[in-house]
Amino acid sequence: GAVVSQHPSWVICKSGTSVKIECRSLDFQATTMFWYRQFPKQSLMLMATSNEGSKATYEQGVEKDKFLINHASLTLSTLTVTSAHPEDSSFYICSARRGGANEKLFFGSGTQLSVL
Amino acid sequence: KQEVTQIPAALSVPEGENLVLNCSFTDSAIYNLQWFRQDPGKGLTSLLLIQSSQREQTSGRLNASLDKSSGRSTLYIAASQPGDSATYLCAVGSGGATNKLIFGTGTLLAVQP
Repeated sequence: GAVVSQHPSWVICKSGTSVKIECRSLDFQATTMFWYRQFPKQSLMLMATSNEGSKATYEQGVEKDKFLINHASLTLSTLTVTSAHPEDSSFYICSARRGGANEKLFFGSGTQLSVL
Repeated sequence: KQEVTQIPAALSVPEGENLVLNCSFTDSAIYNLQWFRQDPGKGLTSLLLIQSSQREQTSGRLNASLDKSSGRSTLYIAASQPGDSATYLCAVGSGGATNKLIFGTGTLLAVQP
């Protein structure tokens, strides 16, 4: 089956530092990956759409300079939270699609970010 | 702007009961609809995917239906088990080249042994 690996699963960092989260499709090539964030007891909010070899498309209200997304290969996308602040503390989840727009999305296990 | 709502927000049932989770969306021009389950602190597991031209999909004890014209989908779980306890999320595909998913608010299900 389609497996998406996300790393790290949790991270604690000091305010002002940057944190990188990796999302890998282990057994398929993902032309499109998505990044979501989820606050406690809330649903998933789409942050950006990442296409291999091109710039990410950010949702309204998401700062592209703060949340840097790189999709360097068909199996890897990274999200870097730059100069993290306590309000960036959240659960970040990536997802990947292995085919066309009508295919299922497969999700990583998520990264819990806590900024002190 | 597409809005997806799930009712109820939380549900507790005894083991063995059949149950229905509801999902409604404001814009009927969807590409597809997907149901997921999420365990606490974990990612999402895809359960069922219904294309816009389909009326329902079944997998084991799960059956999902789709009524695009009324903006509704239901997830039916037969003979519920404690292991079914999780948050269930529906998400509608917005179409286009990327078909990004818009998620509902979720239903927290607890199946009591």
